[in-house]
Amino acid sequence: DGGITQSPKYLFRKEGQNVTLSCEQNLNHDAMYWYRQDPGQGLRLIYYSQIVNDFQKGDIAEGYSVSREKKESFPLTVTSAQKNPTAFYLCASTPGGGGYNQPQHFGDGTRLSIL
Amino acid sequence: SQKIEQNSEALNIQEGKTATLTCNYTNYSPAYLQWYRQDPGRGPVFLLLIRENEKEKRKERLKVTFDTTLKQSLFHITASQPADSATYLCALTTGGGNKLTFGTGTQLKVEL
Repeated sequence: DGGITQSPKYLFRKEGQNVTLSCEQNLNHDAMYWYRQDPGQGLRLIYYSQIVNDFQKGDIAEGYSVSREKKESFPLTVTSAQKNPTAFYLCASTPGGGGYNQPQHFGDGTRLSIL
Repeated sequence: SQKIEQNSEALNIQEGKTATLTCNYTNYSPAYLQWYRQDPGRGPVFLLLIRENEKEKRKERLKVTFDTTLKQSLFHITASQPADSATYLCALTTGGGNKLTFGTGTQLKVEL
């Protein structure tokens, strides 16, 4: 079955450390997204990519970086500049280059905590 | 900027009843509005999409309405079951239309 795989399920970060969250899809989707979910808040967009080798900042990009070297993969790096990284991170994709009429397909998330 | 309001209090209903969840938004009317289901520790799952020129959309036991005058969408689950217990998120388009803004979600608990 096609889908989005996020790994690891749980991740712990030490102070001053960069960590990378993996997101892989086998849906042949063009667009991919990273969201952050905190208790009592809606999903907030960190970065999105509509095509390989191109990506745009979302609403809360500071302290994060991404790459899109392959269509299937959109890894997110949480850098030491992100002062409050503890959250549930969700990766999503859509078939076309993105669009408000396209449902988003989500992975099952990575929960990041600070040691 | 666009703001979405969903009832933050959990909704508890009895099995077999109809659950009705509300999504209110401010500012301009979105062209499309979507509803998702999210279980604890899992990613959201898409349920229904409704366009601004559609008043109502149905899928099995689910029904969504969209009132652009009231700036509100209602999400109904008829003949609710304990398996329907989850958090339900609404989302709508913003900006140029290639990004979604999500509400905080409403937790539904269906009791036997």
